[in-house]
Amino acid sequence: QVTLKESGPVLVKPTETLTLTCTVSGFSLSNARMGVSWIRQPPGKALEWLAHIFSNDEKSYSTSLKSRLTISKDTSKSQVVLTMTNMDPVDTATYYCARNLYDYGDYQVDYWGQGTLVTVSS
Amino acid sequence: QTVVTQEPSLTVSPGGTVTLTCASSTGAVTSGYYPNWFQQKPGQAPRALIYSTSNKHSWTPARFSGSLLGGKAALTLSGVQPEDEAEYYCLLYYGGAGVVFGGGTKLTVL
Repeated sequence: QVTLKESGPVLVKPTETLTLTCTVSGFSLSNARMGVSWIRQPPGKALEWLAHIFSNDEKSYSTSLKSRLTISKDTSKSQVVLTMTNMDPVDTATYYCARNLYDYGDYQVDYWGQGTLVTVSS
Repeated sequence: QTVVTQEPSLTVSPGGTVTLTCASSTGAVTSGYYPNWFQQKPGQAPRALIYSTSNKHSWTPARFSGSLLGGKAALTLSGVQPEDEAEYYCLLYYGGAGVVFGGGTKLTVL
């Protein structure tokens, strides 16, 4: 079955760089139409899309956070990595990865990871 | 900065019908934005319900349906159950400009 699992630090200090890893199973990152998104949710607030990467290595980023984000994938390890620079306490949130299926005429987000809470504090 | 707007909160009686909407600051929502809808209960990850306007996932209950309504994406719940009380989010795809989530609708079943 399809699963996604986020991993990374629980606590980061202001100005540090956050690196999160999404390990997937049940599908291949090299399969056509497959992709992975990163999404975050501050405590008590709404979901915020951060970035996605498709199997053809096409990438897209949130316009407001683009300068701070980098998404990449390692197909052999079934992993997608998100880095976010210059972390600030307002970046405290649960970070989710989710699977994308895409094609001409279709874009969907179907399976989600359980999420990982990242706290930014000195 | 593109903004996607949802009703902050709605209340529905058990067995009733309710429609949640999703509007884009760029103009009318069309099928080309591939609207997706998600349900999130407290302490849980979101669960996908609808993709590309009106398509259901294999696990989506039949009482949930998606459509376009008056220039917005819409999610209709018919025959609402108590377990449908949750936060609902829409997502719109802007192609190379990325993806934006709505602010969420808190649905109360009362």
